[in-house]
Amino acid sequence: KAGVTQTPRYLIKTRGQQVTLSCSPISGHRSVSWYQQTPGQGLQFLFEYFSETQRNKGNFPGRFSGRQFSNSRSEMNVSTLELGDSALYLCASSRQGLAGGRNEQFFGPGTRLTVL
Amino acid sequence: AQSVTQLGSHVSVSEGALVLLRCNYSSSVPPYLFWYVQYPNQGLQLLLKYTSAATLVKGINGFEAEFKKSETSFHLTKPSAHMSDAAEYFCAVSDRNNNDMRFGAGTRLTVKP
Repeated sequence: KAGVTQTPRYLIKTRGQQVTLSCSPISGHRSVSWYQQTPGQGLQFLFEYFSETQRNKGNFPGRFSGRQFSNSRSEMNVSTLELGDSALYLCASSRQGLAGGRNEQFFGPGTRLTVL
Repeated sequence: AQSVTQLGSHVSVSEGALVLLRCNYSSSVPPYLFWYVQYPNQGLQLLLKYTSAATLVKGINGFEAEFKKSETSFHLTKPSAHMSDAAEYFCAVSDRNNNDMRFGAGTRLTVKP
């Protein structure tokens, strides 16, 4: 069974640009969650999509947005990039999602975004 | 809201020694607790999880953790460290009332030969 895949793995952008990251979940998983990982802030929850609907959102500005397609693949978009957006962006998939609390998440390898 | 605190951002042990990584949680309702491991340039991999069944949870690679409600702790242990255990370890908490998962700051484990 293929794991969670994320593309691209590395990305370099300049301030003010926008970026789109992609995540393909494990087959059969309907939930995709996104996390930002930085040395200073650790792992922070961005949002979760379940069956094409955003089910929960973390405390990030509106520049961070996402969507999920009918095949459960998800994209995350960051507009007007800032230096502080440099991070490892991880996506995780699960069969039932985060609701209820007890479900395991499977993580992809991440996309490392560098903003210059 | 629930949260976790990992005591010690860096832990160093000798190969063959006991590994103890500390995690304390805060939750107003019974929590679900997880330990994940992250190797360099990789995503997170689940080691084990507590979901209100047995308080002593056994995971992969010889790791285990014990849920202690009285101490609000969920410490991760391994009797004998191996060089391949060097990685970053994250404790995480969720509960039935919240649709998210909160991670600790992580503990980097170094294993000396």
